[in-house]
Amino acid sequence: SQKIEQNSEALNIQEGKTATLTCNYTNYSPAYLQWYRQDPGRGPVFLLLIRENEKEKRKERLKVTFDTTLKQSLFHITASQPADSATYLCALDVSNSGYALNFGKGTSLLVTP
Amino acid sequence: DGGITQSPKYLFRKEGQNVTLSCEQNLNHDAMYWYRQDPGQGLRLIYYSQIVNDFQKGDIAEGYSVSREKKESFPLTVTSAQKNPTAFYLCASSIVGVGTGELFFGEGSRLTVL
Repeated sequence: SQKIEQNSEALNIQEGKTATLTCNYTNYSPAYLQWYRQDPGRGPVFLLLIRENEKEKRKERLKVTFDTTLKQSLFHITASQPADSATYLCALDVSNSGYALNFGKGTSLLVTP
Repeated sequence: DGGITQSPKYLFRKEGQNVTLSCEQNLNHDAMYWYRQDPGQGLRLIYYSQIVNDFQKGDIAEGYSVSREKKESFPLTVTSAQKNPTAFYLCASSIVGVGTGELFFGEGSRLTVL
């Protein structure tokens, strides 16, 4: 079966450090992958999309990589701040619908001052 | 302002009752979705729709029903056949086609079965 796996353990880092979150998938070759941020009790908010032909994408302090050989995406937050504390979800289309996304369970990030 | 509105935000229901969650969007998006989220879990896809009067089952459609009579509306009914309905329900919308658009989410509806 197709799976999307993210680190289940929470990631605790110190302010100013770089946070790196991992998303692995199996048995699928997605055309793109998306990352979302979710705060407690709120709906997820889109952060970045990376396509299969792109190795890296950046947006301000965020960087996403996509290795289709390893079937893995890495999500980096540089110069992390306490306000970055949230759960981060990766998502991809595993249904071959072309648009409906399936999500990983998310990784909780806590940035401490 | 453009966005997605879900209602009610909190809902309590007795076992055996059907309940309908509302989702409205004014973003002129073609596609709409319903997800379920349980504590500590990711989002699981219930139903999705690309056009009016057409929708597809997601991974956990059993015990749920939807309709898409208008482009801007995609209500979800949680039926009594859903064995564990207590959860956080999220509605989303997106454009479809070139660009594979991001999902825009509502603020969610939290359903508790008493």
